[in-house]
Amino acid sequence: RKEVEQDPGPFNVPEGATVAFNCTYSNSASQSFFWYRQDCRKEPKLLMSVYSSGNEDGRFTAQLNRASQYISLLIRDSKLSDSATYLCVVKKLTGGGNKLTFGTGTQLKVEL
Amino acid sequence: NAGVTQTPKFRILKIGQSMTLQCTQDMNHNYMYWYRQDPGMGLKLIYYSVGAGITDKGEVPNGYNVSRSTTEDFPLRLELAAPSQTSVYFCASSYRQREQETQYFGPGTRLLVL
Repeated sequence: RKEVEQDPGPFNVPEGATVAFNCTYSNSASQSFFWYRQDCRKEPKLLMSVYSSGNEDGRFTAQLNRASQYISLLIRDSKLSDSATYLCVVKKLTGGGNKLTFGTGTQLKVEL
Repeated sequence: NAGVTQTPKFRILKIGQSMTLQCTQDMNHNYMYWYRQDPGMGLKLIYYSVGAGITDKGEVPNGYNVSRSTTEDFPLRLELAAPSQTSVYFCASSYRQREQETQYFGPGTRLLVL
């Protein structure tokens, strides 16, 4: 079983739609959680951290369920510019730096 | 700040050739990382460093070497290139180990081994 699993998509949605991505992780020792965005042929960039109480940043809402080992990202009022791959990332703090484990990503295509 | 910079952007190698991928950061970050990303796959950690003079293996270190002589630079060396090393390589850095501390990535180096 992969440490971090995501539905690869693609999710094709019309502009203005609401879309949700899910992610599950297998290691209960995972301590921190993030969503990264990766545009085609570009580097990953941090979209938002995910906190236990859930958090919102504009049109983006992230949720964490530690009991179910499940993370979600909700995007409201989708824009064409939201088209990208969204990477679910979990982190374990170790003596050797903050090691991130990446999911394979979920591709989003927002269409007119 | 330029952030994390990588050179070259793209390179074609023949099997058995060697090369060094350069990575530099100007954020005074202690931790630096090398990842590879294959099509449709998540990023895999190759090597990492927690400070100058200290390096350690990640998940997929075979065929690679690293050094960290300064805080700013973390080059990745391929000694005998193989087709399996065709990938996109990302360098990243972070400051310290706070819980919500995350990593900042360079623009990547695309490597094709033929």
